[in-house]
Amino acid sequence: ETGVTQTPRHLVMGMTNKKSLKCEQHLGHNAMYWYKQSAKKPLELMFVYNFKEQTENNSVPSRFSPECPNSSHLFLHLHTLQPEDSALYLCASSQGYTDEAFFGQGTRLTVV
Amino acid sequence: AQSVTQPDIHITVSEGASLELRCNYSYGATPYLFWYVQSPGQGLQLLLKYFSGDTLVQGIKGFEAEFKRSQSSFNLRKPSVHWSDAAEYFCAVGIYGGSQGNLIFGKGTKLSVKP
Repeated sequence: ETGVTQTPRHLVMGMTNKKSLKCEQHLGHNAMYWYKQSAKKPLELMFVYNFKEQTENNSVPSRFSPECPNSSHLFLHLHTLQPEDSALYLCASSQGYTDEAFFGQGTRLTVV
Repeated sequence: AQSVTQPDIHITVSEGASLELRCNYSYGATPYLFWYVQSPGQGLQLLLKYFSGDTLVQGIKGFEAEFKRSQSSFNLRKPSVHWSDAAEYFCAVGIYGGSQGNLIFGKGTKLSVKP
């Protein structure tokens, strides 16, 4: 248990659906991240939030929409996804942006 | 551009044998370096990190890594592998500027352990 909890663990959605991924950390960290892990590709940083402010968006398509209502919670809202968006989505947090990141177990997303 | 290369996609070692996983990075400044491990169906767990100081870093589970600036390498080692070490290992370099943080990951090395 790393202190970072992601729900759901698995999600199957159609291309016209809207769903949200949730991440919660009880570590008192100030920075939170979304990563995408696809088969045969390196982990890709998607979004960074530092003190609830988005500080990085790595050219992620607008069909992915992050939300950080407070420093303990991070959401990733999904709509009109494509099959190539199927991947493991990992949430992480760190005390500060130069500190080690603690990862959740991920949400395995399948787009059909 | 910053990058991390893990040249070995898959390595198989016998239980009790020594292990070395290679990692090379490309980054213009002094890097922050990390090794993470991922078991099947799990998130990533930090094994060790290097920020500055002693270039030989000790981590959890008996792992160590050595930073060699001249070779732009940060190889992970373990003297005696256990069956429970079978997992995927990721090397990462931290890129920090201003108020932003970013980890660049390698593609990973999958470790199999045979009895």
